[in-house]
Amino acid sequence: DAKTTQPPSMDCAEGRAANLPCNHSTISGNEYVYWYRQIHSQGPQYIIHGLKNNETNEMASLIITEDRKSSTLILPHATLRDTAVYYCIVRPPPGTASKLTFGTGTRLQVTL
Amino acid sequence: EAQVTQNPRYLITVTGKKLTVTCSQNMNHEYMSWYRQDPGLGLRQIYYSMNVEVTDKGDVPEGYKVSRKEKRNFPLILESPSPNQTSLYFCASSLLGRVGGYTFGSGTRLTVV
Repeated sequence: DAKTTQPPSMDCAEGRAANLPCNHSTISGNEYVYWYRQIHSQGPQYIIHGLKNNETNEMASLIITEDRKSSTLILPHATLRDTAVYYCIVRPPPGTASKLTFGTGTRLQVTL
Repeated sequence: EAQVTQNPRYLITVTGKKLTVTCSQNMNHEYMSWYRQDPGLGLRQIYYSMNVEVTDKGDVPEGYKVSRKEKRNFPLILESPSPNQTSLYFCASSLLGRVGGYTFGSGTRLTVV
């Protein structure tokens, strides 16, 4: 699986957009970008995934650059409950039972 | 509600006393996996299973066993626990062949003294 690089920590004011970057310069053509988050010591929670097009769901938006070497997770209106560690993961397409390789993630602190 | 259920949530045991951590999912997922999480080391895969009676080692399988006799259950067995197995454990499941995320359980915090 391709390696990802994320900043160790970020701060965001409540109500503002949180933009979390991820570099995955060695990503292969058929690998997907997945984002998970872990609130305190709870189980990681799936947020969103994408291949090459930008994606949006009820939780977040995912912007993937045209060369696919980096992506940004956007939480449009961050709340205190979004304080968590966010993991960017690159993995092969569905149908392969590859493990999720978690890096150290970005610790997002949302403040008043 | 679709979920992965782990039990127990907390467990303190002594070295060498066999224990089992249960994991059950109600989503008819083929793929199930166990992870452990330790400070500074992140989440590491212990074992995984692609379907009933099909299991394989992950990155850190030493000291653990698993079984997959039924699709919904994937217990983690520690035959002779040691203090270095003190950790936070997560079970996860997903469908094979479909785009989508893994669903994780709430975790089991194990302390071996």
